[in-house]
Amino acid sequence: SQQGEEDPQALSIQEGENATMNCSYKTSINNLQWYRQNSGRGLVHLILIRSNEREKHSGRLRVTLDTSKKSSSLLITASRAADTASYFCATDGAGGTSYGKLTFGQGTILTVHP
Amino acid sequence: NAGVTQTPKFQVLKTGQSMTLQCAQDMNHNSMYWYRQDPGMGLRLIYYSASEGTTDKGEVPNGYNVSRLNKREFSLRLESAAPSQTSVYFCASRALAGGLGEQFFGPGTRLTVL
Repeated sequence: SQQGEEDPQALSIQEGENATMNCSYKTSINNLQWYRQNSGRGLVHLILIRSNEREKHSGRLRVTLDTSKKSSSLLITASRAADTASYFCATDGAGGTSYGKLTFGQGTILTVHP
Repeated sequence: NAGVTQTPKFQVLKTGQSMTLQCAQDMNHNSMYWYRQDPGMGLRLIYYSASEGTTDKGEVPNGYNVSRLNKREFSLRLESAAPSQTSVYFCASRALAGGLGEQFFGPGTRLTVL
């Protein structure tokens, strides 16, 4: 079963606008990660936020984590056509023996129109 | 550095046939993973290898077997393929045997079982 639920399932915006994707999960986590997948390709890691962190930035990306609500959001600012892709959140479960087993959400398809 | 490589890129099997998907990484990573991705869904973990010499089941292991041949290579075998195994298969690796860390993904193998 999927740990994460992502919202929205699809998002269509114009270049220059901001894109926000949300992820909810069910169990305790060590960290939460966001990945991007371009059509027909493998996943590329974007950002990792630990369970004791609330916000993290990387370039045009901003991730927040609310462990009390078991939710995270990914904000992409000033989007570009090249940001068009599917975005997945993935949780790394709590406990020392998780071995990095990730549980993925079903993803958000982002389309950025030039 | 090639990163994570997978062979073959595409494969068509008939029901009951067997095949092995190959994965190799040249980043000296300890942990390796096999996922499957079905249309409109995130990735689901099939098997993983926390470190050389160990393997363990993930969320959807039925119908598959794995071999961690050495630190570089982690293969996935379908002994008797079924149409339900039609999917895109991704291999991934991670530097740490435990704790935090991003995963690096291969380009995927698109498998169709008729």
